[in-house]
Amino acid sequence: QAQLQESGPGLVRPSETLSLTCTVSGGSISTSFCGWIRQPPGKTLEWMGYIHYSDSPIYNPSLNGRVTISSDTSKNQFHLRMTAVTAADTAMYYCVKGEGWLVDYWGQGALVTVSS
Amino acid sequence: EIVLTQSPGTLSLSPGERATLSCRASQTVSVNYLAWYQQTPGQTPRLLIYDASIRATGIPDRFSGRGSGTDFTLTITRLEPEDFAVYYCQQYAHSPITFGQGTRLEIK
Repeated sequence: QAQLQESGPGLVRPSETLSLTCTVSGGSISTSFCGWIRQPPGKTLEWMGYIHYSDSPIYNPSLNGRVTISSDTSKNQFHLRMTAVTAADTAMYYCVKGEGWLVDYWGQGALVTVSS
Repeated sequence: EIVLTQSPGTLSLSPGERATLSCRASQTVSVNYLAWYQQTPGQTPRLLIYDASIRATGIPDRFSGRGSGTDFTLTITRLEPEDFAVYYCQQYAHSPITFGQGTRLEIK
């Protein structure tokens, strides 16, 4: 049973870069789809992208190229980086993992607020 | 992008009643890769149904999913107090993966 834990700053200034890390225990990320889903307060869920060891990362086009997802298999971690944030990026950010595109495991979520 | 439209936006029912939630896709969802999630305030979404009709591990049999192509339904028979929550459908067949806007199931 894998467990995922997000970490990173809870407050980011507008126009700066949001960076989060997901640490996975109890299961290797090496052969999994790992990615991020976010949820603004009171709104629905938005898939941001996936990374998989055998392929290039795929991203949601709605994020306009601002997102990079990378992984460090030696640490069993993967990362989210989103540039040029605005208040609209304020959300709960969940890291997720699955054997396919269906999510098998969710992190608890990290609330990130964009504010000066 | 496949747009998922859920209806109704809010459903008001009493415990013991039957709930029927709809999810309509703007295009065919291949292989019926359609999931349903339940979310209560402050909690992570909980997977209920995947592949349109398969209950996830530990999900009570009062939850059932059906449908194919563009029309999908989640049915909850005999509502329990803990079932009042927000429900989301998700398609994971096509990139970008998309979610519906949610149906809020509230106590009448």
